[in-house]
Amino acid sequence: LAKTTQPISMDSYEGQEVNITCSHNNIATNDYITWYQQFPSQGPRFIIQGYKTKVTNEVASLFIPADRKSSTLSLPRVSLSDTAVYYCLVGVGNYGQNFVFGPGTRLSVLP
Amino acid sequence: DTEVTQTPKHLVMGMTNKKSLKCEQHMGHRAMYWYKQKAKKPPELMFVYSYEKLSINESVPSRFSPECPNSSLLNLHLHALQPEDSALYLCASSQTRGTSGVNTGELFFGEGSRLTVL
Repeated sequence: LAKTTQPISMDSYEGQEVNITCSHNNIATNDYITWYQQFPSQGPRFIIQGYKTKVTNEVASLFIPADRKSSTLSLPRVSLSDTAVYYCLVGVGNYGQNFVFGPGTRLSVLP
Repeated sequence: DTEVTQTPKHLVMGMTNKKSLKCEQHMGHRAMYWYKQKAKKPPELMFVYSYEKLSINESVPSRFSPECPNSSLLNLHLHALQPEDSALYLCASSQTRGTSGVNTGELFFGEGSRLTVL
């Protein structure tokens, strides 16, 4: 399974765009890249998922370069409510799979 | 219905007690997971069930006993726990094969059960 590394923490101000990068140098050919958001004492929540190039949904964009050894989660115009821990998860499987979370990035959005 | 429901939300137990955590989903997912999360740490995988059969046990101590009685339910039976087992226990589910034909890791999590062992 691909091991991931992320910055431990980041600070931003309201209204700014935030980019969080995850490194996954040993990603396998079939692995997908998935990002989750977690608030204190809650379960992680799916944000976005991609395999290659760029994916965008109503809350975020995910940029994946051609070599797929990293990925960047982009949050446009963050607000205080975006303060959370963001996890990058890499893997794929048949049926159940041992999806292992990396250390995550603690994002603090300041007023 | 895209919810995973976990009960109880909070549980306090002594080291000699026997208790159970419950998880339920009605999304038709046939893969279900138990994760353990300590404060300021990422979720740590414990067990994976696929089609109601245990497929992965991440070397979890036998004082934790999982059970999947049917495709919608997942239990975690607790016995003779230690204070260091106090944590947030998260249940998740996923499709075994999504539209791409594989399990891509889109997990749906419950809110967790906060366990305190005295």
